Amino acid sequence: QKEVEQDPGPLSVPEGAIVSLNCTYSNSAFQYFMWYRQYSRKGPELLMYTYSSGNKEDGRFTAQVDKSSKYISLFIRDSQPSDSATYLCATEWSGATNKLIFGTGTLLAVQP
Amino acid sequence: EAGVAQSPRYKIIEKRQSVAFWCNPISGHATLYWYQQILGQGPKLLIQFQNNGVVDDSQLPKDRFSAERLKGVDSTLKIQPAKLEDSAVYLCASSAGTANEQYFGPGTRLTVT
Repeated sequence: QKEVEQDPGPLSVPEGAIVSLNCTYSNSAFQYFMWYRQYSRKGPELLMYTYSSGNKEDGRFTAQVDKSSKYISLFIRDSQPSDSATYLCATEWSGATNKLIFGTGTLLAVQP
Repeated sequence: EAGVAQSPRYKIIEKRQSVAFWCNPISGHATLYWYQQILGQGPKLLIQFQNNGVVDDSQLPKDRFSAERLKGVDSTLKIQPAKLEDSAVYLCASSAGTANEQYFGPGTRLTVT
């Protein structure tokens, strides 16, 4: 079983739609959860960072963590064509090394 | 502030040849990471440096991969000899410390034929 599982998509939505991206993880010891956005031919960039369970909102983006079900979600409201990218969920071993473990990424296309 | 720089951006080599990638992290960042991203997968950590010391190289195939970070700044990742399965994007990232956000470079796309 992979430590972080993510549906690779692709996911295609019309502009203005609400997008839901999801991941599951296997190790209950994970405490830090991140969403990265990766445009084609670019490196990943950090989008959202959450610690433990709960919601975090930043503009059109909301990250949600449910530790009881080991489920991570990212919601994008009023999606734009510029949101078209691969979205990677990641978790981090708490402790000294800052080692990130990534999901496979979900390719999102927002159609104008 | 300049980002993480990597070169070359693209490289095509034949199997059994050797190749080297270079990374210049963000100025002042003590921690440097090399990731391998195979097409359709998320990045996988190969090696992590704290200044010029190795923190984690548990997933580095040490029979063919090597990395160094001289003087705690720039880093090189080498593959010798390359295999077909090494075809991937090699991403370098840096962070101010082990508890800080990682910033990624654009990556080097390696194709092994």
